Amino acid sequence: GQNIDQPTEMTATEGAIVQINCTYQTSGFNGLFWYQQHAGEAPTFLSYNVLDGLEEKGRFSSFLSRSKGYSYLLLKELQMKDSASYLCAVSGYNQGGKLIFGQGTELSVKP
Amino acid sequence: SAVISQKPSRDICQRGTSLTIQCQVDSQVTMMFWYRQQPGQSLTLIATANQGSEATYESGFVIDKFPISRPNLTFSTLTVSNMSPEDSSIYLCSVQLGLDQPQHFGDGTRLSIL
Repeated sequence: GQNIDQPTEMTATEGAIVQINCTYQTSGFNGLFWYQQHAGEAPTFLSYNVLDGLEEKGRFSSFLSRSKGYSYLLLKELQMKDSASYLCAVSGYNQGGKLIFGQGTELSVKP
Repeated sequence: SAVISQKPSRDICQRGTSLTIQCQVDSQVTMMFWYRQQPGQSLTLIATANQGSEATYESGFVIDKFPISRPNLTFSTLTVSNMSPEDSSIYLCSVQLGLDQPQHFGDGTRLSIL
């Protein structure tokens, strides 16, 4: 089976850096995705990791360690608009592309 | 990425009735999925919509309750049948352009059952 864990909620200050962790257990790992979801809206794609290491995309970076079953999403220079839920999702090999989502981390950015 | 149109965006329905949600994509896509997001929860996969064949349902979801059609590579429907208040959720369709590609989501259908 598959299991994905991430913190339920986090709080950070505008302008700061925050790291949201995600640990997973899956058979046949085939990629990890991070999505952002603002309240009342659909999830939007942020990043994709399939190999170990850091993927940087502007203020957002995502890291993956397959041997540890661990990923994190790093948000720099936080802005108020970054307040949202951040969802970690894992794709399994031979699973036809379907994603299993973690419970999401609700990030609140304070002034 | 593809442009996904999902409708209706929201509806309020009576207990015992059924509602069909439509998902239209502006390009042909191999993989389409339907998810449910209950209030305050994350996304749960209902089924994979297969073109030309029956959908593949996840554990806990059955065809009689959530019949799905996929007549071609750009369109799918999800019906929520014999609705009860427990079916009040957001229902989302998603598409994936390739196995190493991210899924992109429609705007969702917010369903409330009285």
